[in-house]
Amino acid sequence: DAGVIQSPRHEVTEMGQEVTLRCKPISGHDYLFWYRQTMMRGLELLIYFNNNVPIDDSGMPEDRFSAKMPNASFSTLKIQPSEPRDSAVYFCASSPGNNEQFFGPGTRLTVL
Amino acid sequence: GNSVTQTEGPVTLSEEAFLTINCTYTATGYPSLFWYVQYPGEGLQLLLKATKADDKGSNKGFEATYRKETTSFHLEKGSVQVSDSAVYFCALRNGGKLIFGQGTELSVKP
Repeated sequence: DAGVIQSPRHEVTEMGQEVTLRCKPISGHDYLFWYRQTMMRGLELLIYFNNNVPIDDSGMPEDRFSAKMPNASFSTLKIQPSEPRDSAVYFCASSPGNNEQFFGPGTRLTVL
Repeated sequence: GNSVTQTEGPVTLSEEAFLTINCTYTATGYPSLFWYVQYPGEGLQLLLKATKADDKGSNKGFEATYRKETTSFHLEKGSVQVSDSAVYFCALRNGGKLIFGQGTELSVKP
C-alpha cells in the first residue's frame, strides 16, 4: 500500500508568493491532519478533517493559511502571501477512525 | 486540557546502554497513548501504542506500559544501537487529534 503522499517534497519561494502544498491520504482513512514542524515551535497541528469536513482549525496561524479537502483522496494547504517565518516542514497525516496516524514524508518549505 | 511532557533532550548514550525516555500526560477520560519516532529527514513513524491502562506496547526492542495511576508512558529499550538515533515523540489521542510532547532527541554513539 502506498503511504501518505505529499508534494512537492521541497519548495523554495520568495516572500509574497502563493504556496500550495498537496496531500493524498491513505485510501480508506477518514481523518486527515496538517502539521507544521520548526525548531522553535516543534510539531504543531494546524487543522484536521474528518470525512472531508474541517473539524478543528484552531492551529492555523492566521488568515494567510487556508486548507481544503475537496474529496476523500486529496487535500491542499495554501499560504498566500507567504512570509519567511512560514519556512518549516509541513506534514500531512491520515488515520482510520480514532486510531494511530500515518505521516507523509513532509514538504520542506523555504520562503526567501 | 490535554498535554504531554517528556524527557528534555538531547539524550546521548553509548551503544548497548539502557534507554529510558520519560513521558507523563494530563488528559480527561481515557486516552490512547503512542510513541512515534522521527529519523533525520523523514516523517514520523508509529513506534508503539497502548489503548488502555496496563497495556504494554512493544516494537523493535522498545517497550512502554500505560500507567494510569502515574499518568505515564515511559519508553524503554534494554540495549540501544547507533541506528536508534532519532527524535522520539510521546503522544496521546483523546478525541480526534493527537497531542504531542516536545520530542526527545536521542544520539547513540558507537
